[in-house]
Amino acid sequence: DAGVIQSPRHEVTEMGQEVTLRCKPISGHNSLFWYRQTMMRGLELLIYFNNNVPIDDSGMPEDRFSAKMPNASFSTLKIQPSEPRDSAVYFCASSPGLGSPLHFGNGTRLTVT
Amino acid sequence: GIQVEQSPPDLILQEGANSTLRCNFSDSVNNLQWFHQNPWGQLINLFYIPSGTKQNGRLSATTVATERYSLLYISSSQTTDSGVYFCAVPNTGTASKLTFGTGTRLQVTL
Repeated sequence: DAGVIQSPRHEVTEMGQEVTLRCKPISGHNSLFWYRQTMMRGLELLIYFNNNVPIDDSGMPEDRFSAKMPNASFSTLKIQPSEPRDSAVYFCASSPGLGSPLHFGNGTRLTVT
Repeated sequence: GIQVEQSPPDLILQEGANSTLRCNFSDSVNNLQWFHQNPWGQLINLFYIPSGTKQNGRLSATTVATERYSLLYISSSQTTDSGVYFCAVPNTGTASKLTFGTGTRLQVTL
């Protein structure tokens, strides 16, 4: 299995621009998670889906952040407009089901200037 | 929410040495996971260990859920073991909202 695939690996953008991060979970995994990692706050759960349905988005920091999962093999995390404080590594992870072992993608390093 | 503490925060070992990393958590849990974040930033799931002991090569983990702690043992450490080790447990009342500890940063030297 190819594992969780994220794109792009790196994204550099200017403040105010829209950013879209993409994720393909492991085939057969029913749960998908978006995390953000910063030095100050560590790993934070932003939102998670089960069977393509958003279950909990309480970690999404602001209305500028949105996530979708239109089908079982694809999810996006969008930031519009982006701000410098959004700079972080964004990880997507998937698991066979809720409460199961979690498998991470390689992350997207976002820099907003 | 649940509190997760890891110790030590930093650890330097010479290649070949053994080490024990600890994870304490403040509430009862139904699962616990250990992860390794390598120097390139990749997060690898090492163990899913709600209770008991599991072994995978030079690594093993033990969770004593009743006493709210887990241990990760690394034997005969290698330079490729360097990185940050995280434990993660579900928030109280959920199965999937994991709270991560602050990690143990391990450096293995030649």
